[in-house]
Amino acid sequence: GAVVSQHPSRVICKSGTSVKIECRSLDFQATTMFWYRQFPKQSLMLMATSNEGSKATYEQGVEKDKFLINHASLTLSTLTVTSAHPEDSSFYICSARDWGTGGGYEQYFGPGTRLTVT
Amino acid sequence: RKEVEQDPGPFNVPEGATVAFNCTYSNSASQSFFWYRQDCRKEPKLLMSVYSSGNEDGRFTAQLNRASQYISLLIRDSKLSDSATYLCVVLRNSGNTPLVFGKGTRLSVIA
Repeated sequence: GAVVSQHPSRVICKSGTSVKIECRSLDFQATTMFWYRQFPKQSLMLMATSNEGSKATYEQGVEKDKFLINHASLTLSTLTVTSAHPEDSSFYICSARDWGTGGGYEQYFGPGTRLTVT
Repeated sequence: RKEVEQDPGPFNVPEGATVAFNCTYSNSASQSFFWYRQDCRKEPKLLMSVYSSGNEDGRFTAQLNRASQYISLLIRDSKLSDSATYLCVVLRNSGNTPLVFGKGTRLSVIA
């Protein structure tokens, strides 16, 4: 099946710094990528939908100026957590939709990035 | 009301038991439904899609009742390796149609 990679897998940063997370579709082109966040013992919460070449669509309650999303190519989307604070510590997971197979509904998930802000 | 609601469990069952998970969704326009499995500190992985006619994959059976907006997953002959969190997932019928996840039901199969 299709493969989605994320980098880094784990990051520890100090409060006030910014962190960039990359999401890549390795063997397919993804016009749409999704960013999720998962706190311990909670469900995956959709943060935003990222479309190649256009602005991301953010879910209600997600600050677009804090979570910057760029989807500059068909295989790469990035999420930048700006001025990170301890409450931003979470598991961030991206997923990509492969419109070429599965009727367009198949979503492949990256392995996730565990962010810890100290 | 949350888009997708599940009983969080945990369900602790002995090996060989049959266990059932339930899920409800709020958006009647939702078009596709899935069960995902998530192991601790890992990304979710697709277990099976759910069809109106019901579908079976080995020991796993999924059912969908559109009128009641209800989805179920039945696991027969539970194995230790089935221990995980099972996520009820709905394809939102709007915009770019992202997957929306329930909170998940934790299953522990005990020897």
